[in-house]
Amino acid sequence: ETGVTQSPTHLIKTRGQQVTLRCSSQSGHNTVSWYQQALGQGPQFIFQYYREEENGRGNFPPRFSGLQFPNYSSELNVNALELDDSALYLCASSPGLAGWVISNEQYFGPGTRLTVT
Amino acid sequence: SQQGEEDPQALSIQEGENATMNCSYKTSINNLQWYRQNSGRGLVHLILIRSNEREKHSGRLRVTLDTSKKSSSLLITASRAADTASYFCATGYNNAGNMLTFGGGTRLMVKP
Repeated sequence: ETGVTQSPTHLIKTRGQQVTLRCSSQSGHNTVSWYQQALGQGPQFIFQYYREEENGRGNFPPRFSGLQFPNYSSELNVNALELDDSALYLCASSPGLAGWVISNEQYFGPGTRLTVT
Repeated sequence: SQQGEEDPQALSIQEGENATMNCSYKTSINNLQWYRQNSGRGLVHLILIRSNEREKHSGRLRVTLDTSKKSSSLLITASRAADTASYFCATGYNNAGNMLTFGGGTRLMVKP
């Protein structure tokens, strides 16, 4: 078990609604990444936050947005939900930028299962 | 889109046998990592190999990296039923905004 927690565990929303997912990073970690994992596929990078600033973004539309707070916890917000947004949303924290942060392993939370109907 | 392909997509073996999973990728990398996922839950980091390394061991795990062929393999020796899970490779790039790009995964089933 990592020290990364996510809430809620499961969520059901209707198309067009908005959702906020939350993540608490492992103690001492100041970098948080979010991934979307559709059923039967590998995770896809959404974006990363380092010290409250966006530090990289994958190929996701602007209705996917995020925040990182001074305690390094993070939120993922998705507006105007679509059926294809149904997926497992994973948060991962890492120790931070020391050279290349991508060189460090990432510690994943258990995920939030989002179903859009 | 996924970075590369993992092969095979699914693998079923008996306890005690070895399991080999392969991963291919498309562009030059900084490092390659292997992760394990149980039943659609969070991923657990297994091992990281850097682009200037060719082989790495961790317990029953052995990872190789061939940058000329843009491929890696994960070998699990003396498999156990508890090794049943999905295994993903993830690549980190030199200029990629600090993201990991995952393959589609290999679903391993180890029968007792």
